[in-house]
Amino acid sequence: GQSLEQPSEVTAVEGAIVQINCTYQTSGFYGLSWYQQHDGGAPTFLSYNALDGLEETGRFSSFLSRSDSYGYLLLQELQMKDSASYFCAVSSAAGNKLTFGGGTRVLVKP
Amino acid sequence: NAGVTQTPKFQVLKTGQSMTLQCAQDMNHNSMYWYRQDPGMGLRLIYYSASEGTTDKGEVPNGYNVSRLNKREFSLRLESAAPSQTSVYFCASSVTTSGGAGTQYFGPGTRLTVL
Repeated sequence: GQSLEQPSEVTAVEGAIVQINCTYQTSGFYGLSWYQQHDGGAPTFLSYNALDGLEETGRFSSFLSRSDSYGYLLLQELQMKDSASYFCAVSSAAGNKLTFGGGTRVLVKP
Repeated sequence: NAGVTQTPKFQVLKTGQSMTLQCAQDMNHNSMYWYRQDPGMGLRLIYYSASEGTTDKGEVPNGYNVSRLNKREFSLRLESAAPSQTSVYFCASSVTTSGGAGTQYFGPGTRLTVL
């Protein structure tokens, strides 16, 4: 089966940088995705890494190291609206089947 | 484009009652999924349909059945609801790729309480 580990909660102030780590165990790994979910809302896609390295999308970046079974999501220039839960998810089979981690709750303080 | 829609938004059931959660997508996606999310937890896959006419079990299928009615619609049925099925249910859809691109689009969710 698959398993993913990520920290349960992170607190930071506006303007700061937060890194959310994700380690995974899976067979037949395809890629690592990140999703954001605000309280009461639906998950929304943030990024996807299939190859080693850094992918940058505006203030958010995602990194993958396949050899270490490790990735992270980097949130820069934190804003109050970034307060949400962030989930890493691995895809390990054709058909885009995802296995999600337990989520990291990010609280941004003024 | 409405994206992924789910009905109902909220539902309260008594133990033993049955109900069907409806999901539809207008993005012409091949793959559709049902997840449940318990408070403070991640999403767990109940069932998925990689393409029209196929369905497969996910991580937590017990107590549920699904129907892929056509390319647009994927329903989830609880035959005899139990309090352990109290949860938020999300439907999602995606384009199927051999590389597992992992980009799924989620509906707004159905908040189900079983008393």
